[in-house]
Amino acid sequence: GENVEQHPSTLSVQEGDSAVIKCTYSDSASNYFPWYKQELGKRPQLIIDIRSNVGEKKDQRIAVTLNKTAKHFSLHITETQPEDSAVYFCATSSGSARQLTFGSGTQLTVLP
Amino acid sequence: DAGITQSPRHKVTETGTPVTLRCHQTENHRYMYWYRQDPGHGLRLIHYSYGVKDTDKGEVSDGYSVSRSKTEDFLLTLESATSSQTSVYFCAITTSGGPYNEQFFGPGTRLTVL
Repeated sequence: GENVEQHPSTLSVQEGDSAVIKCTYSDSASNYFPWYKQELGKRPQLIIDIRSNVGEKKDQRIAVTLNKTAKHFSLHITETQPEDSAVYFCATSSGSARQLTFGSGTQLTVLP
Repeated sequence: DAGITQSPRHKVTETGTPVTLRCHQTENHRYMYWYRQDPGHGLRLIHYSYGVKDTDKGEVSDGYSVSRSKTEDFLLTLESATSSQTSVYFCAITTSGGPYNEQFFGPGTRLTVL
């Protein structure tokens, strides 16, 4: 089955700096790559996603890049703010029922 | 929140007792999923459903069963709860009818097995 590895597991940045989280995957059939943000005690929230026919996507301060040849994708957050502090999960989708396989998460802390 | 509710939101039970968690959706989505979330493991798929009475196993299905007798409800049952099943359980649905799925989660159920 699919294996998704996510790094780093923890990340601390100063407010205003950029943060980058990276994921690698094993299944070349994966075709959809979402990112979720989870605040303490809350449900995971979809923040951005990218499809296999696209190399990069941006939404304000958030961007995702995909390298299908190397089987890795990354989340980039620019001009970080304290409210960006949360756990971020990457995921990949494959299978007829569009199941998601998740990375183990990155705890991002933005220091004021 | 994609019209997803879970019940109960919190439950404490004892080892060996049966437990059923309910996921309810109001928007007629075809695909529904149960995940468990544990520290250091992210979210892991337990079971999923692709229609009424159509279900299949995920990565960590041992000790769990599911049922979907109508579109709006997806039940997760622990036949005989064990302490290793203490976790936060999330239900999810997929909104897209195409090949790319935007998956949205319910509020979660925190289960403690003593």
